[in-house]
Amino acid sequence: EADIYQTPRYLVIGTGKKITLECSQTMGHDKMYWYQQDPGMELHLIHYSYGVNSTEKGDLSSESTVSRIRTEHFPLTLESARPSHTSQYLCASSALVTGATLQETQYFGPGTRLLVL
Amino acid sequence: ELKVEQNPLFLSMQEGKNYTIYCNYSTTSDRLYWYRQDPGKSLESLFVLLSNGAVKQEGRLMASLDTKARLSTLHITAAVHDLSATYFCAVYSGGGADGLTFGKGTHLIIQP
Repeated sequence: EADIYQTPRYLVIGTGKKITLECSQTMGHDKMYWYQQDPGMELHLIHYSYGVNSTEKGDLSSESTVSRIRTEHFPLTLESARPSHTSQYLCASSALVTGATLQETQYFGPGTRLLVL
Repeated sequence: ELKVEQNPLFLSMQEGKNYTIYCNYSTTSDRLYWYRQDPGKSLESLFVLLSNGAVKQEGRLMASLDTKARLSTLHITAAVHDLSATYFCAVYSGGGADGLTFGKGTHLIIQP
């Protein structure tokens, strides 16, 4: 059972507002990720982090920024929200799981559905 | 650039039938994942496939991987309504951008 939390779960906000989407995990995972998913579509990686003070941009260009000051916390910020930012944002974390073979599984949070008016 | 293609994208089937979802990917990778997503929910990990010929089964779902053909399959046996969901395959990108590259998903509806 993975413990990864996102807040808020739903957010409706006006254009131009600054927003921060929170993501935290209690598993001590070093790697964390943000994905963007439009309704009925695939997920696109927008940011990832290997650990504290590490942040990288993903495959999909995004106007959002992230920070990683603590291992358990990986917030995503939009300085000025626009309607084009309307989407679902999913946070994930991963760690190596040692079994018969080494595995790395990404665990996903419940997501934040963002609507920018 | 890694591309992941799933087919079919939409599938409506009757309970009790068998069907297979296909996932092709364009470049070599050492990890392939299958996830399930219910409407309005997050993703649930189903299978991690790591090596050529890997086969994993959980209940009525069975996943396999052919790394030479760059193909994975998710087979559904004797479908039941509770398996209605969207199923995503995802391939580990590696390289400069860590993380997973997802297919567009297969929207599966199983009718009684």
